[in-house]
Amino acid sequence: QSVLTQPPSASGTPGQRVTISCSGSSSNIGSNSVNWYQQLPGAAPRLLIYSNNQRPSGVPDRFSGSKSGTSASLAISGLQSEDEADYYCAAWDDSMRVFGGGTKLTVL
Amino acid sequence: EVQLVESGGGLVQPGGSLRLSCAASGFTFGSYWMSWVRQAPGKGLEWVANIKQDGGEENYVGSVKGRFTISRDNAKNSLYLQMNSLRAEDTGLYYCARDWGHYFRFRYYYYGMDVWGQGATVTVSS
Repeated sequence: QSVLTQPPSASGTPGQRVTISCSGSSSNIGSNSVNWYQQLPGAAPRLLIYSNNQRPSGVPDRFSGSKSGTSASLAISGLQSEDEADYYCAAWDDSMRVFGGGTKLTVL
Repeated sequence: EVQLVESGGGLVQPGGSLRLSCAASGFTFGSYWMSWVRQAPGKGLEWVANIKQDGGEENYVGSVKGRFTISRDNAKNSLYLQMNSLRAEDTGLYYCARDWGHYFRFRYYYYGMDVWGQGATVTVSS
């Protein structure tokens, strides 16, 4: 059971906009910033979003993040086939790093 | 090129020990917190431990406290994870990751794990 709660799966068609939610509590998302990671099949994770809504260089602006209270969301617009991957949210909880259980995104 | 390369994984019996290493290159290793993150087969990511730039602070997930020890050698640009009393549930792919952040007015602003290795496989089985 993960500290942060994500839906196990999400799907969309090419060009569509999809959102992935991440629910936490006052001790993690409620008081700390949120990261999002993308893990393509067979690959190491990649930092997608930091500080709730900032993109590292090289991350397309199709990816956006937001946070409100104890929840956060990742939005992917203009969905592409190469976006098919697992997505994880993460935040600090006291001195521990906690991840969501991951959401498997399928591009139909 | 910024790179992290893990080594030291393998098959070990329950109760045994293993030491993972992570060789860093392409950046000033001693300027970053570093983390270990693991992933059980077919499961999600789990943060295991991290260590401060000078090795003066370590943090662990509850399930490994007292069994695992994270350490670093900045002169060798290397990160380590000593794993003792291994259990079947410790089986998985162990990633070394760079913690990206900066200090400003005595406060540390954390951004995320921005560089990852390819992982080292640990299998605990009899």
